[in-house]
Amino acid sequence: GESVGLHLPTLSVQEGDNSIINCAYSNSASDYFIWYKQESGKGPQFIIDIRSNMDKRQGQRVTVLLNKTVKHLSLQIAATQPGDSAVYFCADLFGNEKLTFGTGTRLTIIP
Amino acid sequence: NAGVTQTPKFRVLKTGQSMTLLCAQDMNHEYMYWYRQDPGMGLRLIHYSVGEGTTAKGEVPDGYNVSRLKKQNFLLGLESAAPSQTSVYFCASSPLTGGMNTEAFFGQGTRLTVV
Repeated sequence: GESVGLHLPTLSVQEGDNSIINCAYSNSASDYFIWYKQESGKGPQFIIDIRSNMDKRQGQRVTVLLNKTVKHLSLQIAATQPGDSAVYFCADLFGNEKLTFGTGTRLTIIP
Repeated sequence: NAGVTQTPKFRVLKTGQSMTLLCAQDMNHEYMYWYRQDPGMGLRLIHYSVGEGTTAKGEVPDGYNVSRLKKQNFLLGLESAAPSQTSVYFCASSPLTGGMNTEAFFGQGTRLTVV
């Protein structure tokens, strides 16, 4: 069935370096994507979102890229900090109401 | 400003027992969701609601029921708990107007163990 999934389950990055987290989606009708961050023992928190009519969107230290041709999106985190260590999920809003999540990538920042 | 509040935070059930998880939001959001999260996995959508009095099935609805009698509350019920329902349950609410930055806000989770 249609789903949102991630390429890699874990990622380790040196503090201060940039990180890139990838996500593949299969539903070509998806038109809205969101990245969430989940710290241990907490609920997910919104990071950034992007609509299908955009290729790129930037926030504070984060950039989301969307490639509709290959149905892929990525989250770039610049100048990573220890507080960036968490599990990152991409989510897909289908039909403007059903919000579904991918498996997640655990990002570890190495001091 | 409480946001999304889940009750209870922890619960242990015996197989076959029933219980209701309560989710309350004070942001006047139309959309509410229930997810479960198993170790090492993402969040799977159980049921959701797009407004008071409405509910819809998500990815894994079997064994659960929901009700949205009041806009601010979304209840998740387990009629006969099974060990496979051991999980962390998250509730979320969202205005989901379709514009940008229409984020979903999550509760802190309910850790349920069925023995």
